[in-house]
Amino acid sequence: DTEVTQTPKHLVMGMTNKKSLKCEQHMGHRAMYWYKQKAKKPPELMFVYSYEKLSINESVPSRFSPECPNSSLLNLHLHALQPEDSALYLCASSQAQKGGRVEQFFGPGTRLTVL
Amino acid sequence: GQQLNQSPQSMFIQEGEDVSMNCTSSSIFNTWLWYKQDPGEGPVLLIALYKAGELTSNGRLTAQFGITRKDSFLNISASIPSDVGIYFCAGLLSQGGSEKLVFGKGMKLTVNP
Repeated sequence: DTEVTQTPKHLVMGMTNKKSLKCEQHMGHRAMYWYKQKAKKPPELMFVYSYEKLSINESVPSRFSPECPNSSLLNLHLHALQPEDSALYLCASSQAQKGGRVEQFFGPGTRLTVL
Repeated sequence: GQQLNQSPQSMFIQEGEDVSMNCTSSSIFNTWLWYKQDPGEGPVLLIALYKAGELTSNGRLTAQFGITRKDSFLNISASIPSDVGIYFCAGLLSQGGSEKLVFGKGMKLTVNP
């Protein structure tokens, strides 16, 4: 299994809603990532988990809250988002964060629209 | 933040032609990755490069890790219509004890049948 899965594929939410994005991988990877991608731009790193611990937070606003319940799952909890947060949210995983096989495999993304 | 200079930004080619793209940086990278992204989908890894000077092929794709560790190129030979998409280079940057991927701005490839 070389796949990273993400749910939902599309999400529309209001600015007062609370929602969660989910990501799963069964490749035994110990590093997982959240990226945000705006149209016609490259992915921008948001968070990195290594061995289920948060290792990088790229100064992301607190309305985005990541969670790594176990080595296969990664969540992104959303609360009080703004319309400018509308984007494609990508999850990725790699065997290791550093010092080894660090190539990242991406999921298909969740297209988020904030109204 | 750190940036990779990826060029060209777009290319329009005829089916069967070869295409080259490259990425450069003022920083040294430990790993170079090349991805292709189709609209509305996540990036798909094409090639990973781990050693300076390394030349790696994957079917019609060939990529090289520059000897200075500050650049990489990707060649696609004998292009076909399904090569259409956005190609990103990404370098693994060591910073403050952490490592993270830095992406180029992407190259949009159009292949005319």
